[in-house]
Amino acid sequence: NAGVTQTPKFQVLKTGQSMTLQCAQDMNHNSMYWYRQDPGMGLRLIYYSASEGTTDKGEVPNGYNVSRLNKREFSLRLESAAPSQTSVYFCASRETRSYNEQFFGPGTRLTVL
Amino acid sequence: GDSVTQMEGPVTLSEEAFLTINCTYTATGYPSLFWYVQYPGEGLQLLLKATKADDKGSNKGFEATYRKETTSFHLEKGSVQVSDSAVYFCALRFQGGSEKLVFGKGTKLTVNP
Repeated sequence: NAGVTQTPKFQVLKTGQSMTLQCAQDMNHNSMYWYRQDPGMGLRLIYYSASEGTTDKGEVPNGYNVSRLNKREFSLRLESAAPSQTSVYFCASRETRSYNEQFFGPGTRLTVL
Repeated sequence: GDSVTQMEGPVTLSEEAFLTINCTYTATGYPSLFWYVQYPGEGLQLLLKATKADDKGSNKGFEATYRKETTSFHLEKGSVQVSDSAVYFCALRFQGGSEKLVFGKGTKLTVNP
């Protein structure tokens, strides 16, 4: 099992450009999450999806959209990138039973110039 | 709102020293508590967890006890190794309610030989 995979690993954008970060998991998990990690801020939840076909806003959703394409995949889109979106983005997944943990991908480091 | 407060880092120790990283939380109800570890260049991994008061989570020589009376979940290890150098995150999640994890800001640990 590959676990949670993310593409790309690194990306540099200019202000105003758009891009989609891809995430896939092969653990048959129902729930998937997108976080951003900034120095001194910990991880903050952008969006999450409790199941295929549903998405909900997290703590910092502005400037982002998400798509839960199927049970495996959960993408994050920046329609018009801004320098404030320079961050490391992590995708995670979880089986929504009992006290199961979240499994994290390796991250995407995004720089917006 | 719900929050997690971790001791400020960075923390620098010599090999075989005793480690404590403090974590306190503010929440209504009875959350589950977690410690995640992030090694350089990687995503987060669950280190240990506790789901109710007085539970002790342990893994790889690390321990933390869920203290409801002091709303704390301090991470300890009796003898750290160079390989323990990483960033450690305390987090909470409510049982049966929101699926979201609330993270502390992280504490960077460096262990010198």
